[in-house]
Amino acid sequence: LAKTTQPISMDSYEGQEVNITCSHNNIATNDYITWYQQFPSQGPRFIIQGYKTKVTNEVASLFIPADRKSSTLSLPRVSLSDTAVYYCLVVVDNDMRFGAGTRLTVKP
Amino acid sequence: DSGVTQTPKHLITATGQRVTLRCSPRSGDLSVYWYQQSLDQGLQFLIQYYNGEERAKGNILERFSAQQFPDLHSELNLSSLELGDSALYFCASSVGGANEKLFFGSGTQLSVL
Repeated sequence: LAKTTQPISMDSYEGQEVNITCSHNNIATNDYITWYQQFPSQGPRFIIQGYKTKVTNEVASLFIPADRKSSTLSLPRVSLSDTAVYYCLVVVDNDMRFGAGTRLTVKP
Repeated sequence: DSGVTQTPKHLITATGQRVTLRCSPRSGDLSVYWYQQSLDQGLQFLIQYYNGEERAKGNILERFSAQQFPDLHSELNLSSLELGDSALYFCASSVGGANEKLFFGSGTQLSVL
C-alpha cells in the first residue's frame, strides 16, 4: 500500500522559498505525485501534479528525481497566507490515503 | 469554488442516531471519494465510488455506508453514532481515475453530543 513520509512541521518567513520533501519509496511506474494545500476547516485544494523531472505552475514547482522515490514541493517567496498543511498523495492500487501532511507556518 | 457541493454544512445530533451526508460532484466527474477529518487529525480515506460502483475502500467503519446514485450524487450514511464520530466529512470528486486531480467540497461538520 502507498505510504508517504513528510516532515510534520516547518517554519519559514515571508519572502523566503520553502521546500517540502515527500518520500514515497513504493511508487509504481504509472503513479503520479500530487500535492494539496489545506487551510483550517476547508477542503484540500490541488496545488500541482507531476510524474517525473520538473513541473512548474503559477503557484509552485515540483521536483522529482530520476528514481521517483521522493519529490519536493517548492513554494517561491511565501506569504503569511501560505500558512497551511501540505499533503503529498501517491495513489498505488487505488489506495487514496493521505499521509499526515506538513504544517507550514509562515512568520512575518 | 471547487464545484463539489456538500450538504448540510453543519449537523448536530445525539449518540445512537443516524445521519445522511450528501455530495454532488463536479459536472462530468464520475468518481466520488469520502474522507473523515477529526480535530487536528489528518484526512482518513473512507470510500470511493466510480460511476455507481464501489471502487476502493479505506478505513470505513461497518456502521458507515455509502452509495452513488445514477445521477452521480453520493450519500454517506452514518449510524449508531458515537461521540468519536464528530468530525469534518469531506467529499471529493474526479473525472475518473485515482491519479487525477481531486476536487474537494467544503465539508460537513458533524457534531455528536
